[in-house]
Amino acid sequence: EVQLLESGGGLVQPGGSLRLSCAASGFTFSSYAMNWVRQAPGKGLEWVSAISGSGGNTYFADSVKGRFTISRDNSKITLYLQMNSLRAEDTAVYYCAKDRYSYGPLGGMDVWGQGTTVTVSS
Amino acid sequence: QSVLTQPPSVSGAPGQRVTISCTGSSSNIGAGSDVNWYQQLPGTAPKLLIYGNNNRPSGVPDRFSGSKSGTSASLAITGLQAEDEADYYCLSYDSSLSGYVFGTGTKVTVL
Repeated sequence: EVQLLESGGGLVQPGGSLRLSCAASGFTFSSYAMNWVRQAPGKGLEWVSAISGSGGNTYFADSVKGRFTISRDNSKITLYLQMNSLRAEDTAVYYCAKDRYSYGPLGGMDVWGQGTTVTVSS
Repeated sequence: QSVLTQPPSVSGAPGQRVTISCTGSSSNIGAGSDVNWYQQLPGTAPKLLIYGNNNRPSGVPDRFSGSKSGTSASLAITGLQAEDEADYYCLSYDSSLSGYVFGTGTKVTVL
């Protein structure tokens, strides 16, 4: 069974940093691009970032470009999202999601984790 | 930012048919990018409902169907059931943003 398990969420002050992790199982991790998607309280879904299966290509939404970094360790079957210079508007549930293809954001996500909550507040 | 527009809400009685539109532009749906649809039940993670415009993953009832034409796509739910009450989102790739864009979301209410 394909599973994704996020961790690392929590309360952080504005301007602070946080690193999210997503542990994968049940599929050949390195063969698929991976994504982070977030959902602010009471709002819709927002794509945040994607990384190719090899890790060689990364993609970001304009709202997080320059502040967030996405990476993966295929030997540890884990996806990461390093979030710096956090703002109140980054408060959301962050989902890890497996892409349908290997090379990047093209075919959409087919498997989602349960999410981890990030709250940016003083 | 959402560049795919959906109606905020649709409703129908049990057994009826409802449709949800997803309107994009020449840089996403109109450029030939595939459209996926997701169902999000209250308090849960989104679930893939339709991929590649009109394909259902294993386990998704055939009451759900997708279509695409020009710069728009649609999700149809036939034989509406109480368990279909959820939020629905479309998704496509946008070449001008070099990333995915979600629709604004539609809440389906079963009367």
